[in-house]
Amino acid sequence: QKEVEQNSGPLSVPEGAIASLNCTYSDRGSQSFFWYRQYSGKSPELIMFIYSNGDKEDGRFTAQLNKASQYVSLLIRDSQPSDSATYLCAVNTAGNQFYFGTGTSLTVIP
Amino acid sequence: GAVVSQHPSWVICKSGTSVKIECRSLDFQATTMFWYRQFPKQSLMLMATSNEGSKATYEQGVEKDKFLINHASLTLSTLTVTSAHPEDSSFYICSASGREARGYNEQFFGPGTRLTVL
Repeated sequence: QKEVEQNSGPLSVPEGAIASLNCTYSDRGSQSFFWYRQYSGKSPELIMFIYSNGDKEDGRFTAQLNKASQYVSLLIRDSQPSDSATYLCAVNTAGNQFYFGTGTSLTVIP
Repeated sequence: GAVVSQHPSWVICKSGTSVKIECRSLDFQATTMFWYRQFPKQSLMLMATSNEGSKATYEQGVEKDKFLINHASLTLSTLTVTSAHPEDSSFYICSASGREARGYNEQFFGPGTRLTVL
């Protein structure tokens, strides 16, 4: 079982819609969770991080964490074509290991 | 945010040669630097973590004698791929965090180096 799992997609949503990206992790003691955006051929950039159960909002982005279900998600409201990228979930485990998921490819259709 | 640069941005070399990749923090002191590798359509894999002035800590399965990491100053870390082979062709990305960093959220990524070994 992989440490971090994501649906590879591709996920396509129309412009203005909500994009929902999901991630599960295996280490129940994991402490912190991150969402990165990576454009093709570029390095990742941090969008959000979350430590506590519940929702965390930043502009059009909302991260949701459910530690009991070992599940973290990212919602993108009012999706724009510029949001088209691969979204990487990353987890800092209880043993202070850091793992990325394989990423979900998102395409926002104008 | 803080700026991290990498040099070169891309390199093509012959099999058997060694390649050095530099990672620099331009406007902060990087006490910790991370080196990642990403194959096409795959996730980033952490290769090693280096603290300034200390030996790097390598992840399981990463050959430390093949991937030499030096973090001699607070602004520079180098990764040398020794005796490179075609299977080492990949996208190598470094990241850096400063003295006040409290977690992995405060690592700043470089732009990456694409290595192609012929």
